[in-house]
Amino acid sequence: AQTVTQSQPEMSVQEAETVTLSCTYDTSESDYYLFWYKQPPSRQMILVIRQEAYKQQNATENRFSVNFQKAAKSFSLKISDSQLGDAAMYFCAQSDSNYQLIWGAGTKLIIKP
Amino acid sequence: DTGVSQDPRHKITKRGQNVTFRCDPISEHNRLYWYRQTLGQGPEFLTYFQNEAQLEKSRLLSDRFSAERPKGSFSTLEIQRTEQGDSAMYLCASSLKDGNEQFFGPGTRLTVL
Repeated sequence: AQTVTQSQPEMSVQEAETVTLSCTYDTSESDYYLFWYKQPPSRQMILVIRQEAYKQQNATENRFSVNFQKAAKSFSLKISDSQLGDAAMYFCAQSDSNYQLIWGAGTKLIIKP
Repeated sequence: DTGVSQDPRHKITKRGQNVTFRCDPISEHNRLYWYRQTLGQGPEFLTYFQNEAQLEKSRLLSDRFSAERPKGSFSTLEIQRTEQGDSAMYLCASSLKDGNEQFFGPGTRLTVL
């Protein structure tokens, strides 16, 4: 069975600093996608960044970047220059061949002003 | 298009009652997904449609749950004889058939008393 594990229930970072959120996954598929979604309090889930497993280059989106280690099945998210608006639950997810998303339990990110 | 919409946003019901939720996906999206999210957890897959065809259902989807997407546009999720354990946020998402980013609605929060 496919699983996604986020080992950090909560992380905090000082505003303007960098934080890394961890995610590991387990799959037997060779072709898949990985995602980080953000869910602010009482607001809807939005996509932060995605990575195609066949691409070796790590995805980046402005202040957000990933460290994708396929052999280790690791997919961490780095947030640079943290802002107050980054405070949210962050979920790591992996899609299977039917594009269903398998989700981690989430990491609550707190930004200290 | 304003994105995925869900109605109602909140529903309070008594145990044993039936409830129905509606999801309107992004208009050109062929795939529609239902997830359930309990407090402090990541979403759990319930079912998904490609156009009007329901292609997969999770074991979480007991016989009290039924979902439809009659014309391949909006979808409904009905829960019969609700139980307190059904209390959760029900999320709907849509995507293009061959796309991988799922766009989420704001969710329907169900409280069963």
